[in-house]
Formats: sequence, structure tokens, C-alpha cells
Amino acid sequence: GAVVSQHPSWVICKSGTSVKIECRSLDFQATTMFWYRQFPKQSLMLMATSNEGSKATYEQGVEKDKFLINHASLTLSTLTVTSAHPEDSSFYICSARVTSGRAEDTQYFGPGTRLTVL
Amino acid sequence: SQKIEQNSEALNIQEGKTATLTCNYTNYSPAYLQWYRQDPGRGPVFLLLIRENEKEKRKERLKVTFDTTLKQSLFHITASQPADSATYLCAFNAGNMLTFGGGTRLMVKP
Repeated sequence: GAVVSQHPSWVICKSGTSVKIECRSLDFQATTMFWYRQFPKQSLMLMATSNEGSKATYEQGVEKDKFLINHASLTLSTLTVTSAHPEDSSFYICSARVTSGRAEDTQYFGPGTRLTVL
Repeated sequence: SQKIEQNSEALNIQEGKTATLTCNYTNYSPAYLQWYRQDPGRGPVFLLLIRENEKEKRKERLKVTFDTTLKQSLFHITASQPADSATYLCAFNAGNMLTFGGGTRLMVKP
């Protein structure tokens, strides 16, 4: 149980275009999903926290107009990188938290999406 | 601000030995710590969670300790195998979010 999928697994796009990444919890409902970015040989950095039906909360330094997050249902969140530039090239990972109501609920991570902007 | 640190240098060990990875934290007193495994090009996979009132937690060949006095968690893999080669991340919850350490890369040689 507790499987999170991401689509696509990799994407190459031209500078200036927009890219949408989907994150789905396959066998559970997640009121909260998280989006992380990971550069080579670095740890995961939280970009934003997404709650179903409400606006995402962005971490300091993350442009909300550039990284659009939509959490339309309890099983789907999307991240759209708008007007992508080469410096946006990175590994984007989502996670979803099982909502059992406990403070220590574990986050389950998707397999990640490799974005390369040419 | 709260910090969580892991040894950034890779740990190389021989198959069959016990691997021990260290996680230190400062400026925070987490109620629990989590350990994850991450393979190249993949998302992290949850391994173990240990609470502050638990000194030790085991799962098959894995053992985690949590010392709130030293502000440190140790992660052990006994009878290590080449398939255990990966990056291991520790993390704690600060409110609603997980804060990750930088990870330690483990290489188990046959």
C-alpha cells in the first residue's frame, strides 16, 4: 500500500515553455501533498505544501507564479513549471501523507520527474 | 534554524559487515526521526521511524537508535549486501514539513 506515482518520469523541453508534472496517490487519500526539488548530489528541498482544495504554501525563495500547484482532489496534485529556463532543470519529487490523523504520519514519495530545459 | 547533518562522504564497506550511518541535529528537539533510502534517479523510500521515547527500533537487518541527549540517531545495517548500496537520508518533522539531512552514500563491496 501507500503508492505514489508521478508522470512523466522525465521530460525535456525548450526554454520558455511550460511543463506540467502530475502526482497521484494510488491507493490512499492524501489531504496534504508536498513538492520537493533535488539538485545533483544534494538533498531534497521542500518547495511547497499543497492541501486539497486550498492554495499551496510556498517555501521562502520559491516563486509561486513560476511553480503553479493545483491540488484538485484527494489523490492528485499537479506542479506546472511556467516559462521554464535551464536553471529550472532538476529532479522534482512529490510526496503524499497518509491521513490517519496522527502527527507522525509518514510521507510516501513518488519516483520523481527529471526535468531538463534546453 | 534547525539543522540536520549527515556525513557527506561516502561510506565504503565490505559485504557482510555492519554499516553504521550517523545523523546529528541541532536547534530542535524532534519528537521522532525518520530514515529513508534513495537510489539514483528515484524518490526516497521510507524505512523506519523512531520516536523520542524509543531508544532503539529494529526491522529485519536494520536498526535505528535515537539519543536525545547527544541529539543523534544512528542507522545500522547488519550483514550488509551489495544491494544495500544507496544513499540513506534521515529526516525529522518540524511542524507540517520534513527536514532532510544531506544523505550519506553507502557502497557495499562484494
